[in-house]
Amino acid sequence: AQKVTQAQTEISVVEKEDVTLDCVYETRDTTYYLFWYKQPPSGELVFLIRRNSFDEQNEISGRYSWNFQKSTSSFNFTITASQVVDSAVYFCALSGTTSGSARQLTFGSGTQLTVLP
Amino acid sequence: KAGVTQTPRYLIKTRGQQVTLSCSPISGHRSVSWYQQTPGQGLQFLFEYFSETQRNKGNFPGRFSGRQFSNSRSEMNVSTLELGDSALYLCASSLGAGETDTQYFGPGTRLTVL
Repeated sequence: AQKVTQAQTEISVVEKEDVTLDCVYETRDTTYYLFWYKQPPSGELVFLIRRNSFDEQNEISGRYSWNFQKSTSSFNFTITASQVVDSAVYFCALSGTTSGSARQLTFGSGTQLTVLP
Repeated sequence: KAGVTQTPRYLIKTRGQQVTLSCSPISGHRSVSWYQQTPGQGLQFLFEYFSETQRNKGNFPGRFSGRQFSNSRSEMNVSTLELGDSALYLCASSLGAGETDTQYFGPGTRLTVL
């Protein structure tokens, strides 16, 4: 069975602060995929990033960066110089490649990020 | 390119009724997945359709069913509604050919069961 844990239920920061959202996963698949989605109050899940298990290179996209560490089964997400528009619920998700885990996302419980002006 | 569309956006039903939700995927995408989001259980996978066939199914009772049409549009049906079925139902589309393609979500249908 697959599992994704986002231990931080809520985080509140002041604008321009950096913030890191933690994600720890469990899977028995040797090949798997990790994702981050953002859910603003409107409800739609917005895709942010996808990572393959065989590619541990960290990625940066503007103010967003992701740290994938297979040794600790973590895929953390950092927002640099946060803005009010970053306020949303962020979900980490996992998809495997074997029967019962492929082509379906297992989500963490989400982290509510509030950025105060 | 237009995104995933879901209709209706809001629904209010009473216990025992049935409901049908609709999802139109991104043009060219052949896989449609459905998820249920509730405050208590979070986001849970319902099922996935590809080329009009159910390819994956989550742990939901048989009251939850779906289908996919030849144009890749999908419908989800819930029969004999229960109060606990109140949730945001999200549809996601993907290309579908790979073992795990990125899923792009629609705005959701918020179902309230009274």
